[in-house]
Amino acid sequence: GQQVMQIPQYQHVQEGEDFTTYCNSSTTLSNIQWYKQRPGGHPVFLIQLVKSGEVKKQKRLTFQFGEAKKNSSLHITATQTTDVGTYFCAGPYSSASKIIFGSGTRLSIRP
Amino acid sequence: DGGITQSPKYLFRKEGQNVTLSCEQNLNHDAMYWYRQDPGQGLRLIYYSQIVNDFQKGDIAEGYSVSREKKESFPLTVTSAQKNPTAFYLCASSIDLSGNIQYFGAGTRLSVL
Repeated sequence: GQQVMQIPQYQHVQEGEDFTTYCNSSTTLSNIQWYKQRPGGHPVFLIQLVKSGEVKKQKRLTFQFGEAKKNSSLHITATQTTDVGTYFCAGPYSSASKIIFGSGTRLSIRP
Repeated sequence: DGGITQSPKYLFRKEGQNVTLSCEQNLNHDAMYWYRQDPGQGLRLIYYSQIVNDFQKGDIAEGYSVSREKKESFPLTVTSAQKNPTAFYLCASSIDLSGNIQYFGAGTRLSVL
């Protein structure tokens, strides 16, 4: 069945270092969404990418959607302690009109 | 103030007991969803609904039941048939089912006594 995989599962960085998480789908996606879940909290929508090769920025966060619309990445420049949490990508199922979430990348930061 | 409200925040279930988790939204969204999240894991879809009086099983529906009698409400019942119910349960809604952005409630943490 359709799968959305994320790597790495965990990332522990020194504050100020960069961080990247990668998302790969087994099928072409019409769009990709990114969510952030703070420890003990609920997922919060960050951004949606729709176009092939699209790049969007939110301050220190850069999101990319691959040319084939099967992969995506989230890059954080100069991490801060407020970036701690789990980052999920999500994309629509091809046949059932709902979205499937990746397994998430948990980011922890050494002050 | 628009959003999704889940209650209770914490819930304890005794052996053999059914418990119901509440989810209410005032966003006028058509689609609603229930997810289960185990510690350190991703989100697994339990049930979803596009319109009133209609709902579909997700990937892990066994041991759960739902109803959608009103557009605003999508309660989830964890039945005694669910042998491992301890988890974080998240309700979400979106404008419709066509892969749109999902808005989540704050969640309910269910534990077994």
